[in-house]
Amino acid sequence: KNQVEQSPQSLIILEGKNCTLQCNYTVSPFSNLRWYKQDTGRGPVSLTIMTFSENTKSNGRYTATLDADTKQSSLHITASQLSDSASYICVVSSYISGGSYIPTFGRGTSLIVHP
Amino acid sequence: DAGVTQSPTHLIKTRGQQVTLRCSPKSGHDTVSWYQQALGQGPQFIFQYYEEEERQRGNFPDRFSGHQFPNYSSELNVNALLLGDSALYLCASSLRVKETQYFGPGTRLLVL
Repeated sequence: KNQVEQSPQSLIILEGKNCTLQCNYTVSPFSNLRWYKQDTGRGPVSLTIMTFSENTKSNGRYTATLDADTKQSSLHITASQLSDSASYICVVSSYISGGSYIPTFGRGTSLIVHP
Repeated sequence: DAGVTQSPTHLIKTRGQQVTLRCSPKSGHDTVSWYQQALGQGPQFIFQYYEEEERQRGNFPDRFSGHQFPNYSSELNVNALLLGDSALYLCASSLRVKETQYFGPGTRLLVL
């Protein structure tokens, strides 16, 4: 069964500090891994996407890494801002024959940035 | 350029009723996926539509059905509502099945 586990479940940091969120997956066959940011009551917004051959991808203050051998990914947030308070969701897609992809979502890490 | 839109934003139903949720994809997108997100959980994949056909389906009962129209918009229908169907229902669109999905704001369904 394909699974995506995220840690920590929740995190509280002070504004300006850095943090790292973790994602471990058992999804096969692997197609790509995405990190989404979801504000409360809103739909998720894509931050990064990585395929098997990519091991790092940046989007402003967000940097995602991927280790396909250990099936782990991390999302590093630099110089956090109050607006970073949200749920961060790791999504791993599996390629299905016929050109279709099945996404498996993690439960997300709830990040709170305090002033 | 409008992004993904969903209607209604909120909905209250009672057990046993039926509900239809609607989604308009981002301009230029032809693939629509539906997700159920319970409070405090990650989204769960319901199904995906491409070229007006259901291409993939998650682990949801037949009470959940859908449709995609020629203009790529989509509907999610849920019959015989249960209390456990209360959730945020998200629609996501993409250009073909493998590209980045853009999510709508969701429809929050409450079943009493």
